[in-house]
Amino acid sequence: GQQVMQIPQYQHVQEGEDFTTYCNSSTTLSNIQWYKQRPGGHPVFLIQLVKSGEVKKQKRLTFQFGEAKKNSSLHITATQTTDVGTYFCAKFTGGGNKLTFGTGTQLKVEL
Amino acid sequence: NAGVMQNPRHLVRRRGQEARLRCSPMKGHSHVYWYRQLPEEGLKFMVYLQKENIIDESGMPKERFSAEFPKEGPSILRIQQVVRGDSAAYFCASSPGGQGVYEQYFGPGTRLTVT
Repeated sequence: GQQVMQIPQYQHVQEGEDFTTYCNSSTTLSNIQWYKQRPGGHPVFLIQLVKSGEVKKQKRLTFQFGEAKKNSSLHITATQTTDVGTYFCAKFTGGGNKLTFGTGTQLKVEL
Repeated sequence: NAGVMQNPRHLVRRRGQEARLRCSPMKGHSHVYWYRQLPEEGLKFMVYLQKENIIDESGMPKERFSAEFPKEGPSILRIQQVVRGDSAAYFCASSPGGQGVYEQYFGPGTRLTVT
């Protein structure tokens, strides 16, 4: 199938600790996108990765695309309470415009 | 520049009634997508539309669900004879047309509760 698995499903961290979520696909990806959804909110686009081995940074967030383009990761350094939410990776399927979302990683940050 | 708008934000329907969910894409966007999110689950693609055309409806249940994006006005997701299992958050997203792969801009969602 065209499942996109994410691990872990849940993560509780203390504020200031780091956090990483991993996204794995059974097929090679042309590109991958990451979205964040706050509790009760809607998904918000974070970034898109296209190239093999690509690394992009947004302040405390680091996004990586695997060399084989079958996996991706999102790492948050020194988490803050504003990082709380569910992080989804998503890939395009069905000719390019349909997003298939990963299973998501729910992050909780405790003071 | 207004974002993607959805209404209503919350909708309560009794079993057997019809639900109509509306989505106005961002200005300049000609592609609309509908996703469903069941409680504590991820987002599942339902349908992809362009003006007056359904491009991909592979995620739509075969019965009771329909979608349209008319030449004028918002996109509509219609659920006939709702059942309790239809209770979910329904998100609309839009993107610009043309070649290339674009991010999708999501609306605030409609939370449908079927009693």
